[in-house]
Amino acid sequence: AQSVAQPEDQVNVAEGNPLTVKCTYSVSGNPYLFWYVQYPNRGLQFLLKYITGDNLVKGSYGFEAEFNKSQTSFHLKKPSALVSDSALYFCAVRDGAGTYKYIFGTGTRLKVLA
Amino acid sequence: DGGITQSPKYLFRKEGQNVTLSCEQNLNHDAMYWYRQDPGQGLRLIYYSQIVNDFQKGDIAEGYSVSREKKESFPLTVTSAQKNPTAFYLCASRQAGETQYFGPGTRLLVL
Repeated sequence: AQSVAQPEDQVNVAEGNPLTVKCTYSVSGNPYLFWYVQYPNRGLQFLLKYITGDNLVKGSYGFEAEFNKSQTSFHLKKPSALVSDSALYFCAVRDGAGTYKYIFGTGTRLKVLA
Repeated sequence: DGGITQSPKYLFRKEGQNVTLSCEQNLNHDAMYWYRQDPGQGLRLIYYSQIVNDFQKGDIAEGYSVSREKKESFPLTVTSAQKNPTAFYLCASRQAGETQYFGPGTRLLVL
């Protein structure tokens, strides 16, 4: 069965430091992987996706993610965190059975400290 | 959030009452989705529709119903059979390139 795991409920990082939000997945076939961000009482905003190609994917607001097939991971990264990056981050994978269903992780709350 | 609207922003349901959440998109997307968000549980799929006049149950469809009579609209009804409806409900639509785009959400509360 397809699944996504975000092992950390919360990540704290100092402003200006690099940040990493972890995601691992289990899917049959080729993975279609996504990162979204959610601010309080708002919908999800798309950050980036991996479908195929380069393992390092660049997205919105300076975020990037590294696809690692051997470790089945798709960690979200940013070289220098901003206080405004504080939000809830979701990793998602598309169901590989061709149903176009998406499975979401439980979310990681990022807190960037000034 | 642009291109997908959800209304109302807040909705109150009385015991035994059916309520309908609206989702409209002007992105010309074929596929639309409804998710339920509870604290600590991420997003769970309620129903999805790949095309007009067709929809499929997601992982937690019990107590919910949908219709897809128009491409731009995918309303969700929370029926009285849903015993724990308090949650944040998110609608999304999908373009052909895989990415889902989300509306701003509706928070449903029980009186």
